[in-house]
Amino acid sequence: EDKVVQSPLSLVVHEGDTVTLNCSYEVTNFRSLLWYKQEKKAPTFLFMLTSSGIEKKSGRLSSILDKKELFSILNITATQTGDSAIYLCAVDPGNNRKLIWGLGTSLAVNP
Amino acid sequence: NAGVMQNPRHLVRRRGQEARLRCSPMKGHSHVYWYRQLPEEGLKFMVYLQKENIIDESGMPKERFSAEFPKEGPSILRIQQVVRGDSAAYFCASSSRQGHGELFFGEGSRLTVL
Repeated sequence: EDKVVQSPLSLVVHEGDTVTLNCSYEVTNFRSLLWYKQEKKAPTFLFMLTSSGIEKKSGRLSSILDKKELFSILNITATQTGDSAIYLCAVDPGNNRKLIWGLGTSLAVNP
Repeated sequence: NAGVMQNPRHLVRRRGQEARLRCSPMKGHSHVYWYRQLPEEGLKFMVYLQKENIIDESGMPKERFSAEFPKEGPSILRIQQVVRGDSAAYFCASSSRQGHGELFFGEGSRLTVL
């Protein structure tokens, strides 16, 4: 059965810390891996990764994919309280099939 | 360019009533997805629609739930004879191309069944 597993499930850090969130997957087919940030409302898109080893970066956030070991990491440097959210990882298996979602990592950044 | 619009944002129903949730995708998007999120749980896929077609409804309960995306107008998720367990946040997302990829989410409709 296709699955996406995120770890840790929750994390509490202090402002300024760097965090690494993990997403591993086991799927029959793979087209891309996506990261979303969900605060109190709708998930917002962060990154889409399709190729191994190419880092995607946006400000203090970056992400990379390893298609051989079947995982991705999301890094957040110099965390701020506004980074507090649930970070969701999903795999697009292609072939018009639905996304496979992880349960998310709940990040709390304390001042 | 307005994002994905969902309404109502909050809906309260008594057991046995009907709930109708609406979703207007982003301009230019013809693919709509409905997700349900229960407290402390992840997003659960319900249904994927294109205009006038249901592509994948494998996540929809077989009874009481239905969805449509007519040629004109918003997509509608309809829940008949609601029960307490239907209380959840229902998110709609849209994309411009087939097969998901980058989804743009609406703010969600929070259904509370008394």
